[in-house]
Amino acid sequence: GAVVSQHPSWVICKSGTSVKIECRSLDFQATTMFWYRQFPKQSLMLMATSNEGSKATYEQGVEKDKFLINHASLTLSTLTVTSAHPEDSSFYICSASRVHTEAFFGQGTRLTVV
Amino acid sequence: DQQVKQNSPSLSVQEGRISILNCDYTNSMFDYFLWYKKYPAEGPTFLISISSIKDKNEDGRFTVFLNKSAKHLSLHIVPSQPGDSAVYFCAAIKSSGDKLTFGTGTRLAVRP
Repeated sequence: GAVVSQHPSWVICKSGTSVKIECRSLDFQATTMFWYRQFPKQSLMLMATSNEGSKATYEQGVEKDKFLINHASLTLSTLTVTSAHPEDSSFYICSASRVHTEAFFGQGTRLTVV
Repeated sequence: DQQVKQNSPSLSVQEGRISILNCDYTNSMFDYFLWYKKYPAEGPTFLISISSIKDKNEDGRFTVFLNKSAKHLSLHIVPSQPGDSAVYFCAAIKSSGDKLTFGTGTRLAVRP
């Protein structure tokens, strides 16, 4: 199956700093990528839809200035958590689709803000 | 508003027996459904899917059943194996849209 690579798999950062997470589709071009967040024992919550060459579409309640998304190419989307705080600590997962019903997920990034 | 629900947060099954995971949805516009398996600290991996034009899809030990009138789907795993122990998410999508809506997940434990 298609491979989506997410990096880093875990990161610890100090409060107030910014963290960038990369999501790459390795063997197909993805015009659309999705970013999710998962809290412990909860479902995957869609944060935003990343569109190549245009602005991301954020879900209600997600701060666009806090979670910056850049989809610079057909194989790369990045999520930057700006001025991170402990409440931003979570598991972030990206996905990419070849067709809209076929979503492949990255390995996820565990972010811990101390 | 939880449009996709998995009412059982956990399920424990003996190895070799059948595991049945259930999922209900409220949005009649959903017409494609997927099941994902997730281990801790990893991204979900795709298991099996079903289109709303079908009521059953089978792939090896995994079978998904869809009851459109009841807005209910289920994933059957038989025989269950200890390696199947994970959290299972059902997800739904509209063919006119591109966003997956996930259920809350069911943690399956298969006892040796």
